[in-house]
Amino acid sequence: DGGITQSPKYLFRKEGQNVTLSCEQNLNHDAMYWYRQDPGQGLRLIYYSQIVNDFQKGDIAEGYSVSREKKESFPLTVTSAQKNPTAFYLCASSIVRGRGTNEKLFFGSGTQLSVL
Amino acid sequence: QKEVEQDPGPLSVPEGAIVSLNCTYSNSAFQYFMWYRQYSRKGPELLMYTYSSGNKEDGRFTAQVDKSSKYISLFIRDSQPSDSATYLCAMSASTFGNEKLTFGTGTRLTIIP
Repeated sequence: DGGITQSPKYLFRKEGQNVTLSCEQNLNHDAMYWYRQDPGQGLRLIYYSQIVNDFQKGDIAEGYSVSREKKESFPLTVTSAQKNPTAFYLCASSIVRGRGTNEKLFFGSGTQLSVL
Repeated sequence: QKEVEQDPGPLSVPEGAIVSLNCTYSNSAFQYFMWYRQYSRKGPELLMYTYSSGNKEDGRFTAQVDKSSKYISLFIRDSQPSDSATYLCAMSASTFGNEKLTFGTGTRLTIIP
């Protein structure tokens, strides 16, 4: 079955620690995205990538880092610089048809990150 | 003021009722409008996608866009307990892709059997 796999489902971070959230897709999509979801707020874009070895900051990139070494994988690292990391993190992917189009986003099941 | 406003609910209705979910927005450049459904602790899934003004129907779901009022709606007919979820609206201007999607906060809906 094609889809997006996020792991782990739950993650706990100690103060000063970096943690990495995994996102893998087998949909052959070029574009991948990381969103953060907080209660009472809409999904906010952290980083996105439309091609391997290239990625762009979203609206709230500070304290996060990503890599895109393979088309299938887009891991997100929450660094110690992110002072309020507790949130539900969602990875998504889509095809890239051309500028000015909104292709359907496919989401993973999310990772809940909490601070110890 | 947020660019997209959505009543967070919670909204509880009896099974079989018609549900109306709404979003208002301030950016007149928005032309693409989407509704996503999100079950608890899961990722959202796309329900409806409309361009510009008008209605779109898919089974029990109808999406309505009124650009003059900057108001979009999702109607669910013959609501079922399986419709219990959080519904997110999302929208963007035509010149941008998914990286410029703006999401509402979501409305939590419960259908009571």
